[in-house]
Amino acid sequence: ETGVTQTPRHLVMGMTNKKSLKCEQHLGHNAMYWYKQSAKKPLELMFVYNFKEQTENNSVPSRFSPECPNSSHLFLHLHTLQPEDSALYLCASSQIGGTGSSYEQYFGPGTRLTVT
Amino acid sequence: EDQVTQSPEALRLQEGESSSLNCSYTVSGLRGLFWYRQDPGKGPEFLFTLYSAGEEKEKERLKATLTKKESFLHITAPKPEDSATYLCAVQDNDYKLSFGAGTTVTVRA
Repeated sequence: ETGVTQTPRHLVMGMTNKKSLKCEQHLGHNAMYWYKQSAKKPLELMFVYNFKEQTENNSVPSRFSPECPNSSHLFLHLHTLQPEDSALYLCASSQIGGTGSSYEQYFGPGTRLTVT
Repeated sequence: EDQVTQSPEALRLQEGESSSLNCSYTVSGLRGLFWYRQDPGKGPEFLFTLYSAGEEKEKERLKATLTKKESFLHITAPKPEDSATYLCAVQDNDYKLSFGAGTTVTVRA
């Protein structure tokens, strides 16, 4: 285990549903990330939270709404999704700043989302 | 914009047949280059960080090297359990991580 957990692991939702993905890191890191992984495509960075503040939003549609209540927890709220949003959603954490930090990101197992 | 290109897209090896994966990149100030392993249905697993040209890192049958334009992941005498998708990523001075599409390695017994 990497120290990053995600729930649920699998989610099937209709286009009119509202659901949330949860991520928790036990590594003491100060930055957390949401990525989308579609088949045969590179990981797409969606959101970055650094010290609980959102520092990046890569033109993600408003039907995806992140929330970071503290440095250990990250949520992705989903509503009125489209079938093309079906993908593996990955959460990651890392340490940013300071000398000696490796800056590598550690990933959770992902949530496999299917939008019907 | 940072770019990462991995080749080949897929690699099929016989057990014991050594080979190399390529990761070529362009980045505005390289803070680090990372290699990850990803098994089907799982999140990427961190393998190595390389910081500067000429650096090498090893772990079991894997060895990663770095030049100013590319990185190689050498797999020596692979075993079936080395079958996975290997991802390369570069981090720029703003800590932004850009991933390649990956190389899927299949090792047959």
